Amino acid sequence: GAVVSQHPSWVICKSGTSVKIECRSLDFQATTMFWYRQFPKQSLMLMATSNEGSKATYEQGVEKDKFLINHASLTLSTLTVTSAHPEDSSFYICSARDRDRGAAYNEQFFGPGTRLTVL
Amino acid sequence: LAKTTQPISMDSYEGQEVNITCSHNNIATNDYITWYQQFPSQGPRFIIQGYKTKVTNEVASLFIPADRKSSTLSLPRVSLSDTAVYYCLVGDKRNTDKLIFGTGTRLQVFP
Repeated sequence: GAVVSQHPSWVICKSGTSVKIECRSLDFQATTMFWYRQFPKQSLMLMATSNEGSKATYEQGVEKDKFLINHASLTLSTLTVTSAHPEDSSFYICSARDRDRGAAYNEQFFGPGTRLTVL
Repeated sequence: LAKTTQPISMDSYEGQEVNITCSHNNIATNDYITWYQQFPSQGPRFIIQGYKTKVTNEVASLFIPADRKSSTLSLPRVSLSDTAVYYCLVGDKRNTDKLIFGTGTRLQVFP
């Protein structure tokens, strides 16, 4: 299947700093990518839909000024957690759909995730 | 998007067949049923998708009764490496690409 990478795989930062997470589609172009957050022992929660060349669409309850999303190219979306606090510590996962591949109508390919720890 | 209900957890032993049932009473005519697998500290991975009756691939089988109000993911002869969380999702391909994950079923396979 299609490959999605994330960088970094883990990051530790001090409270109040900003952290940028990259999501790349390695062998396909993705006009749309998705960002999820997952707390320990919980399910994935969709945060936002990242659209290439336009503004991201945020899910209800997700602060767009805190979680900045930039989808500047067809293979890269970035999530910046601004002024991070300990409660932002979580596992952040991105996904993308390769419209030319996939066994199912809506199969999405997920990145390996980025574990953010805010001290 | 139809709401799904799955058991929170299941235990099994190596070599056994595992069946995980998902309820989706409000499934719509155009909805498909999709299952994803997630290992700890990894992103989910697509397993199988179906609309009705039975679908089988190299990993699993998916059984969907005629009323489509439930579905069963069947994993034949599980191994320790099948320990993971399994998510059932229901969605309409005519709408957005968004995937909404439910609670999932945490499967623990013992030796």
